[in-house]
Amino acid sequence: SQTIHQWPATLVQPVGSPLSLECTVEGTSNPNLYWYRQAAGRGLQLLFYSVGIGQISSEVPQNLSASRPQDRQFILSSKKLLLSDSGFYLCAWNVGETQYFGPGTRLLVL
Amino acid sequence: GENVEQHPSTLSVQEGDSAVIKCTYSDSASNYFPWYKQELGKRPQLIIDIRSNVGEKKDQRIAVTLNKTAKHFSLHITETQPEDSAVYFCAAAVSGYALNFGKGTSLLVTP
Repeated sequence: SQTIHQWPATLVQPVGSPLSLECTVEGTSNPNLYWYRQAAGRGLQLLFYSVGIGQISSEVPQNLSASRPQDRQFILSSKKLLLSDSGFYLCAWNVGETQYFGPGTRLLVL
Repeated sequence: GENVEQHPSTLSVQEGDSAVIKCTYSDSASNYFPWYKQELGKRPQLIIDIRSNVGEKKDQRIAVTLNKTAKHFSLHITETQPEDSAVYFCAAAVSGYALNFGKGTSLLVTP
């Protein structure tokens, strides 16, 4: 069966520090992968999506970037975090129509 | 691009009553409409979905209706229970492409 992993589960980082969040999918090949951010009490903001290795589409210009070095690995990065980067980061995947979310990483920037 | 509007933003019902959440979409090419439930602190979970070749779909106490002409779809929860309390998100997409989410409805079911 397919599973999706994200780590770390929680992270507290100072303003200006770098960021690397990782997402991996098991049990499927060539999935579409997505990064969403959810601010406290808010909706789901699509940040990036990828249809294959090295293929990244950005939905919102900001200080974040994404990479897909392997078929089932999706990484979200930042060189310098802002206070406004705090939130719940969700990785998602789909093969066909149905989209599933990972467990998420809760990021607090202080 | 696709724009999904969701109403109401908050909904409070008494246990046993029905709850209805409505969404509209703008892109007539959208043909896939899922609904997600997100409990506090957890990931969104798919609860039901409908495709544009179907007008209604039901799964126990949950049903979704779709009106393609009017470009709106709705989630119906009957006989609500306290454990139905959560944030519900609708979404619309062209099949296989990124989902466009509504802003969510916070449902509270009071005993």
